[in-house]
Amino acid sequence: LAKTTQPISMDSYEGQEVNITCSHNNIATNDYITWYQQFPSQGPRFIIQGYKTKVTNEVASLFIPADRKSSTLSLPRVSLSDTAVYYCLVGSFYNQGGKLIFGQGTELSVKP
Amino acid sequence: DVKVTQSSRYLVKRTGEKVFLECVQDMDHENMFWYRQDPGLGLRLIYFSYDVKMKEKGDIPEGYSVSREKKERFSLILESASTNQTSMYLCASSGTNNEQYFGPGTRLTVT
Repeated sequence: LAKTTQPISMDSYEGQEVNITCSHNNIATNDYITWYQQFPSQGPRFIIQGYKTKVTNEVASLFIPADRKSSTLSLPRVSLSDTAVYYCLVGSFYNQGGKLIFGQGTELSVKP
Repeated sequence: DVKVTQSSRYLVKRTGEKVFLECVQDMDHENMFWYRQDPGLGLRLIYFSYDVKMKEKGDIPEGYSVSREKKERFSLILESASTNQTSMYLCASSGTNNEQYFGPGTRLTVT
């Protein structure tokens, strides 16, 4: 069963690139890696998803090495509004139940 | 725009009460989920459903049950609420692309 580990917190400054890494040593063949962003008093919001190599969308990039035992969410040029908790999710619910594993979340604080 | 709504934002119940949390999605999604979120523990999956009347246990199903009689609605039931079920409860839905859309959450306090 995949267990995900993320740093508890990170600090950054406006305009910097932020990289948040998630470790998932026991990732299964069918598992995807998904990242979510959560602001206080709101539900998490989808950022990006990938299976291997690199995925990029309008807000972030996701880097996944060949062994898929870790993944890195990259946020280019962060702003104050990127201050939030970021969760890594590993799993695929097309398997039998109980295989969706969220990390404990990384609290990102962006300072002016 | 996908919308997932939850019946209450805040709820206070007494120990032993039966509690119903309701979730409705408007995107005709096949899959629906219930999570609880606790400080330091992140989100933990309680149950999910991939079709009407179908359900699968997640990581922490003990003390909970679910019901999905209609595609758009997924209910979480606490048969006999206990203080250790005080938590934030989040509902989510998804289609075939694995992207989950979350509701705003229900903060349940059991006294």
